[in-house]
Amino acid sequence: EDKVVQSPLSLVVHEGDTVTLNCSYEVTNFRSLLWYKQEKKAPTFLFMLTSSGIEKKSGRLSSILDKKELFSILNITATQTGDSAIYLCAVVWGAQKLVFGQGTRLTINP
Amino acid sequence: EAGVAQSPRYKIIEKRQSVAFWCNPISGHATLYWYQQILGQGPKLLIQFQNNGVVDDSQLPKDRFSAERLKGVDSTLKIQPAKLEDSAVYLCASSFGTGGGETQYFGPGTRLLVL
Repeated sequence: EDKVVQSPLSLVVHEGDTVTLNCSYEVTNFRSLLWYKQEKKAPTFLFMLTSSGIEKKSGRLSSILDKKELFSILNITATQTGDSAIYLCAVVWGAQKLVFGQGTRLTINP
Repeated sequence: EAGVAQSPRYKIIEKRQSVAFWCNPISGHATLYWYQQILGQGPKLLIQFQNNGVVDDSQLPKDRFSAERLKGVDSTLKIQPAKLEDSAVYLCASSFGTGGGETQYFGPGTRLLVL
């Protein structure tokens, strides 16, 4: 069965800390892995990863994919209270099917 | 560029009633998706359209849920009759292409509460 598993499910840290969120997957015909940030309603796109070992970076956020070990990590450095959100990992497989993980709820305390 | 539009934003109904949601994707996006997101879970795909054809509806509870995209642009999702377990946020998303790996852009969602 195709699945995406994220860990931890919940994480509470202090402002300024660095966090690493994990996403592992088991799908057939992998195409890409996506990271989304969900604050109130709609998930907003962060990164799309298709190749192993190539880091994508946007400000304090970065992500990398390992297609051999079937996982991805999302790093956030120097966290701020505005980073508090649910971070969703999703894998695109087959004919553009998208499977989401259950998300990691990140809370940044001042 | 306008984003994905959805309405209504909130809906409260009693069980066994009917409800319909509307979605207008980003202009030019061929593929449209409806997701159900239950509190504390990731979004679950209900149905995927490519233009006006259904690509995947394997997780759509067809005894009570239906969806259409008649002209290949906007779409409606209907629930009839609603059950308590249908309480969730219904997200619509769209993507430009029809191949794999396309980024999906999400609308604000419709929060449904079934009493």
